[in-house]
Amino acid sequence: SAVISQKPSRDICQRGTSLTIQCQVDSQVTMMFWYRQQPGQSLTLIATANQGSEATYESGFVIDKFPISRPNLTFSTLTVSNLSPEDSSIYLCSVEVWELAGRPEGETQYFGPGTRLLVL
Amino acid sequence: DQQVKQNSPSLSVQEGRISILNCDYTNSMFDYFLWYKKYPAEGPTFLISISSIKDKNEDGRFTVFLNKSAKHLSLHIVPSQPGDSAVYFCAGSSGNTGKLIFGQGTTLQVKP
Repeated sequence: SAVISQKPSRDICQRGTSLTIQCQVDSQVTMMFWYRQQPGQSLTLIATANQGSEATYESGFVIDKFPISRPNLTFSTLTVSNLSPEDSSIYLCSVEVWELAGRPEGETQYFGPGTRLLVL
Repeated sequence: DQQVKQNSPSLSVQEGRISILNCDYTNSMFDYFLWYKKYPAEGPTFLISISSIKDKNEDGRFTVFLNKSAKHLSLHIVPSQPGDSAVYFCAGSSGNTGKLIFGQGTTLQVKP
């Protein structure tokens, strides 16, 4: 398994500012992801954070709005830029872990506790 | 195009009974399916997963069944406990990208 922490756990920001969210994992992982859960919605993938290279963004998400850093195999940051009220969401990082033996077997993804952002 | 669908927004079950949560998908490229439980102020908690080459996986009170021909999977919780009350998400994963596509979620309420 993997233990993931996120900072901050919550924040209230003014329109036009930016917020940087940190994600720390207790072990080295190859695949890290950033998701968003808007109020009343499901989780949507923003991007895959690649170590040593630019992040890979999903349709509808761009680097200028959501710059991502991945300086090593245990840490990543997501910045939400030029905030608007529509950015009010829970932002979650996750890591992929493959268990070749033991339980759970196969692919698993573990999520951090999330960062709850409210933009006024 | 919603690739993963959970058509029941909510489910209410009596404690001790079976809870069955359903999920349908359209993407034949999914090779893993995962179930998560989520409380309002927390991140999703992994419950159980199943490879597309299997039709059943069991872990304690949780069993996931996969019917590939119907593109349908279900999560069975037996016996249900009040602490199981949460939102349950199913997700599909394809290839080696690791990307998860989530359903809309089903809110389970287990009544004492």
